[in-house]
Amino acid sequence: KAGVTQTPRYLIKTRGQQVTLSCSPISGHRSVSWYQQTPGQGLQFLFEYFSETQRNKGNFPGRFSGRQFSNSRSEMNVSTLELGDSALYLCASSLASGGPVEQFFGPGTRLTVL
Amino acid sequence: DQQVKQNSPSLSVQEGRISILNCDYTNSMFDYFLWYKKYPAEGPTFLISISSIKDKNEDGRFTVFLNKSAKHLSLHIVPSQPGDSAVYFCAARETGNQFYFGTGTSLTVIP
Repeated sequence: KAGVTQTPRYLIKTRGQQVTLSCSPISGHRSVSWYQQTPGQGLQFLFEYFSETQRNKGNFPGRFSGRQFSNSRSEMNVSTLELGDSALYLCASSLASGGPVEQFFGPGTRLTVL
Repeated sequence: DQQVKQNSPSLSVQEGRISILNCDYTNSMFDYFLWYKKYPAEGPTFLISISSIKDKNEDGRFTVFLNKSAKHLSLHIVPSQPGDSAVYFCAARETGNQFYFGTGTSLTVIP
């Protein structure tokens, strides 16, 4: 079974631009979560989608948004990029939402904002 | 507010010895806990989990211990191997809510 895939793997943008990242979960997985990883900060939760509905949301500004499609693929969008948005963005999928199920991560998208 | 803490940023262990990675949490409502291993330029890889109804779970060389009264969990790796060198993250959640991750502990296993 294929793992979680994320595209693109690397991205360079300039301040003020917007970016869209894509995540394809493991087949059969209906929950997709997004995380931001920066040095020394661990993984910061952005949001979780299950069956096209946002289930949970972290403490990020409204510039960060996401959505999930009927095939469970998910996208996250960051508008008006700031230098501090430079990070590794990780997507994780799981069979269900909210219960004792593990999340499986993709390789991440490395975003650099210049 | 960091609800899950890994207070040791790094740990070095001799090959063959035991590695003990620690994690503390503040929310007594957390009922499911995970450990992940992460290599550079890769996403975290799931290692082992434990629910709050248990105090121990084993999977091969990996054992996770949960002390609910102390709000503490630990990951034991026995015996440690050079390929175990990576960053280890613990994560916790309360049913229905998001996972909270620690900041990670970088483990180096010395041959």
